[in-house]
Amino acid sequence: GAGVSQSPSNKVTEKGKDVELRCDPISGHTALYWYRQSLGQGLEFLIYFQGNSAPDKSGLPSDRFSAERTGGSVSTLTIQRTQQEDSAVYLCASSLVWSTEAFFGQGTRLTVV
Amino acid sequence: KNEVEQSPQNLTAQEGEFITINCSYSVGISALHWLQQHPGGGIVSLFMLSSGKKKHGRLIATINIQEKHSSLHITASHPRDSAVYICAASLHSKETSGSRLTFGEGTQLTVNP
Repeated sequence: GAGVSQSPSNKVTEKGKDVELRCDPISGHTALYWYRQSLGQGLEFLIYFQGNSAPDKSGLPSDRFSAERTGGSVSTLTIQRTQQEDSAVYLCASSLVWSTEAFFGQGTRLTVV
Repeated sequence: KNEVEQSPQNLTAQEGEFITINCSYSVGISALHWLQQHPGGGIVSLFMLSSGKKKHGRLIATINIQEKHSSLHITASHPRDSAVYICAASLHSKETSGSRLTFGEGTQLTVNP
């Protein structure tokens, strides 16, 4: 596709369950970012991947959160033992390299009940 | 104190008015981004700039590196411009050879017909 694709677009899960969120970046983009936007809050950095460098995980809120990027393309954000405070829109973005414009996906709205 | 601060938080204008949204940042940046977020959550990158001024249609973005300040201007505003406008600073990390965005809180713009 032409843009950043995220799936699912909506996810409702029970507290304590694990969830996986997927991001397909624009083809050829070496940088991939995950952000989170909680209801009524601003955007919050979670993690980014830049080529083959070690990812910057400094924004992950707890060790229940992890992410991987396979083959330098698709990325999966995993949240284990979900809590209600994890409810948010999770946004993925990619850019050609770190210094160029970032393109955002439509996000995954996660609701933990 | 946030690293990126925007003002105003909310702005209501009449159609046709000239609009200015301001952004100040307190850290050294590699670039400054202006993003637009419509209801429903989709984020669109409007500008990425590291110096001077950029123009796209009725939108103009300026940055003053010495003063650590950027402005987004909308000329001849229209109700379809109603959205949240977000300023974001791109911070380069030497450790990871990449960058991530630090966001302002956003400005909710409402343009009335």
